[in-house]
Amino acid sequence: NAGVTQTPKFRVLKTGQSMTLLCAQDMNHEYMYWYRQDPGMGLRLIHYSVGEGTTAKGEVPDGYNVSRLKKQNFLLGLESAAPSQTSVYFCASSYTGTGPETQYFGPGTRLLVL
Amino acid sequence: AQSVTQLDSQVPVFEEAPVELRCNYSSSVSVYLFWYVQYPNQGLQLLLKYLSGSTLVKGINGFEAEFNKSQTSFHLRKPSVHISDTAEYFCAVTPRGTQGGSEKLVFGKGTKLTVNP
Repeated sequence: NAGVTQTPKFRVLKTGQSMTLLCAQDMNHEYMYWYRQDPGMGLRLIHYSVGEGTTAKGEVPDGYNVSRLKKQNFLLGLESAAPSQTSVYFCASSYTGTGPETQYFGPGTRLLVL
Repeated sequence: AQSVTQLDSQVPVFEEAPVELRCNYSSSVSVYLFWYVQYPNQGLQLLLKYLSGSTLVKGINGFEAEFNKSQTSFHLRKPSVHISDTAEYFCAVTPRGTQGGSEKLVFGKGTKLTVNP
């Protein structure tokens, strides 16, 4: 199993450009999440999905959109990138259980917005 | 709402020395507690978690943590560290009774552990 994979690994954008980050998981997990990690800030939840066709806002959703058209994929879009969106983006997935399930993380995407 | 405070942003230690990474939390409800580890240029992976039962929890790679409800703490310890333990460690909490996913998981800001030879 590949687990959770993210594409691309690194990207440089100019202010105002758009891009899509792709997350894929092969563990048949219901839940998927997008986080951003900034120095000294820990991880902050951007959006999450509880299943195919559903999405919900997390702590810092502004400037981002997501889609979950297939159970195994979760896409994060930036319509008009801003320098404040320079960050490392992590995707994660987890089972739906009766208690808090372990999150499995991808390797991250480093985004630089100039 | 929950919050997590990791008291040390950086902890340098020598190889084979013991280490303690401190985590305190604030919550109006009971919580589940986690420690995740992030090795350089990798995603996070679960180190250990406390859900119920014994307050001393053992995790992977020789790490353990102790839940102290009165002090609202969940400190991570290892009696003898290796160079390979160099990583960033994140404490996280979620409300007890959480069902389904982990969308309510709140992470601390992380502690960078550097193990020197």
